[in-house]
Amino acid sequence: DTGVSQNPRHKITKRGQNVTFRCDPISEHNRLYWYRQTLGQGPEFLTYFQNEAQLEKSRLLSDRFSAERPKGSFSTLEIQRTEQGDSAMYLCASTTSGQETQYFGPGTRLLVL
Amino acid sequence: GQSLEQPSEVTAVEGAIVQINCTYQTSGFYGLSWYQQHDGGAPTFLSYNALDGLEETGRFSSFLSRSDSYGYLLLQELQMKDSASYFCAVRDRQAGTALIFGKGTTLSVSS
Repeated sequence: DTGVSQNPRHKITKRGQNVTFRCDPISEHNRLYWYRQTLGQGPEFLTYFQNEAQLEKSRLLSDRFSAERPKGSFSTLEIQRTEQGDSAMYLCASTTSGQETQYFGPGTRLLVL
Repeated sequence: GQSLEQPSEVTAVEGAIVQINCTYQTSGFYGLSWYQQHDGGAPTFLSYNALDGLEETGRFSSFLSRSDSYGYLLLQELQMKDSASYFCAVRDRQAGTALIFGKGTTLSVSS
């Protein structure tokens, strides 16, 4: 068990560019979550997958955001036409059905210039 | 909607005991969790309460009163390494399986 991993750890991009982040959950975990965290705030829920199905999406998730989990293992989060307000830490977490603990990855810190 | 309130900052000295309170408003409450996050690190799970009462895990304990929509995290025998942000988080019917986090309490432990 190597824990939840996320890549890249840091990303600097220019406004208007597209970015994609990857999350590799703990291998036996069927549930995967994406959160966004800004300085001085708690993580904010973005979206949730159970296996390959995207079951929940926050109202925070604008049309510029899309997430996939094609084989029920790793997940990607893409942000199109990035804006400065997208600058944040993007966290991925995983767990199994019936378990309350969510295991978080180290996050991808995005800076949009 | 959901809302959680917790103090923004707490300071203490090594060896002391601190209590971080959390009050919440939700619809269809399932349970209250606590997470610790060091600067630049990932949130890590500390405890979960679904029923009223106290849960103890080593130096950390967590309490829940569903009737008061209130919980707290108690940290005993504080150590410098406990300096971190502490978040309470709820699951409720509206949020489904996702966690709704408070803004966090920054704990500073000094020698």
